[in-house]
Amino acid sequence: AQSVTQLGSHVSVSEGALVLLRCNYSSSVPPYLFWYVQYPNQGLQLLLKYTSAATLVKGINGFEAEFKKSETSFHLTKPSAHMSDAAEYFCAVNPRGYGGSQGNLIFGKGTKLSVKP
Amino acid sequence: EAGVAQSPRYKIIEKRQSVAFWCNPISGHATLYWYQQILGQGPKLLIQFQNNGVVDDSQLPKDRFSAERLKGVDSTLKIQPAKLEDSAVYLCASSLGAGWNEKLFFGSGTQLSVL
Repeated sequence: AQSVTQLGSHVSVSEGALVLLRCNYSSSVPPYLFWYVQYPNQGLQLLLKYTSAATLVKGINGFEAEFKKSETSFHLTKPSAHMSDAAEYFCAVNPRGYGGSQGNLIFGKGTKLSVKP
Repeated sequence: EAGVAQSPRYKIIEKRQSVAFWCNPISGHATLYWYQQILGQGPKLLIQFQNNGVVDDSQLPKDRFSAERLKGVDSTLKIQPAKLEDSAVYLCASSLGAGWNEKLFFGSGTQLSVL
């Protein structure tokens, strides 16, 4: 069965510092992987997705993630944190891979990112 | 472009009462999803509609939860009777189609507290 594990329920960084949010997956089919962001009192918004093309995926707001099959990881990074990045971030896997609906995702428990001035 | 609208924003009820949530997707979006997000967890898909038909309701607790999308536009999700463990944020999302490459648009959710 497919699953996603996000290491660290809360990450705190200083403004301008590197952001690293960790995600490991388990999948019996070639995975499609996603990162979503949820700002307070808002719905989820897609940051980026991996769908078996380039292993380094660039998303919105300066975020990127690298798919590493050997490590079953899909960590999210941003070189320099901004105050506006404070939010909750969810990693997700599509359990059916290609052909499945993007809405039918298995989400991790989320990592709340705090950015200190 | 108007986003996905959900109401009410908050709802507090006592256990064993009934409650209904409403979702208006983006105009023209054929696919609609309902999710349950319990505090400290990621969203869990409850049901997926394609137009007015159900595509996937495998994770919907059908003994107490029901959902409909009669005209293929608005949708309602109902819980009857509610239990304490139903306390969660209920998110609605829509997309043009159901394919893996379709972009999802999420509403802000309805926060339900069951006392």
